[in-house]
Amino acid sequence: GAGVSQSPSNKVTEKGKDVELRCDPISGHTALYWYRQRLGQGLEFLIYFQGNSAPDKSGLPSDRFSAERTGESVSTLTIQRTQQEDSAVYLCASSASRGGRNQPQHFGDGTRLSIL
Amino acid sequence: SQQGEEDPQALSIQEGENATMNCSYKTSINNLQWYRQNSGRGLVHLILIRSNEREKHSGRLRVTLDTSKKSSSLLITASRAADTASYFCATDAGWGQGAQKLVFGQGTRLTINP
Repeated sequence: GAGVSQSPSNKVTEKGKDVELRCDPISGHTALYWYRQRLGQGLEFLIYFQGNSAPDKSGLPSDRFSAERTGESVSTLTIQRTQQEDSAVYLCASSASRGGRNQPQHFGDGTRLSIL
Repeated sequence: SQQGEEDPQALSIQEGENATMNCSYKTSINNLQWYRQNSGRGLVHLILIRSNEREKHSGRLRVTLDTSKKSSSLLITASRAADTASYFCATDAGWGQGAQKLVFGQGTRLTINP
């Protein structure tokens, strides 16, 4: 079946604009995760969803960042009033958490966001 | 906060040789996972080792876990050019049912020279 799909694959926008990033998880995966990866760095946890609720929003860098998930499926990550330091690759992953904690996460190819 | 630290940051070897990468972490964990990332792509899950396991194999991969030292190693035997990628360890420090919150290391950049 299809893997995790993210769109757009690349996004270039001007500082101050809002952007919306989309993630389509693997069908049936109840858990969904957003990460940020700066150039040459590891992944930084942003937020995760269990179903449609987000128990842990502690990783969101500021109140300019928000995320939602509907129908235990698609999720969107919104960044308002973008700043240059928001430039990074934003990665989404999903997992079948109903099987317990010891499940691998399946990643999309990410959205490369560049703020001019 | 960054839990895992990987060593070395970069590794370059000849095709056919073995590659060893190490990961250290700070807190108690439920499991530790290794992922591979090819340039410009997402991460691919390689192997998961639980906190009560000491060693695990998958094909040419061997992972060890020493919870007393809070460290893990990934060994890739008989390396191939296609193994060229960045390798990340990630720890799950949560407990109980529910989704994970993985904390990733900075990664090891592995280059296999033909």
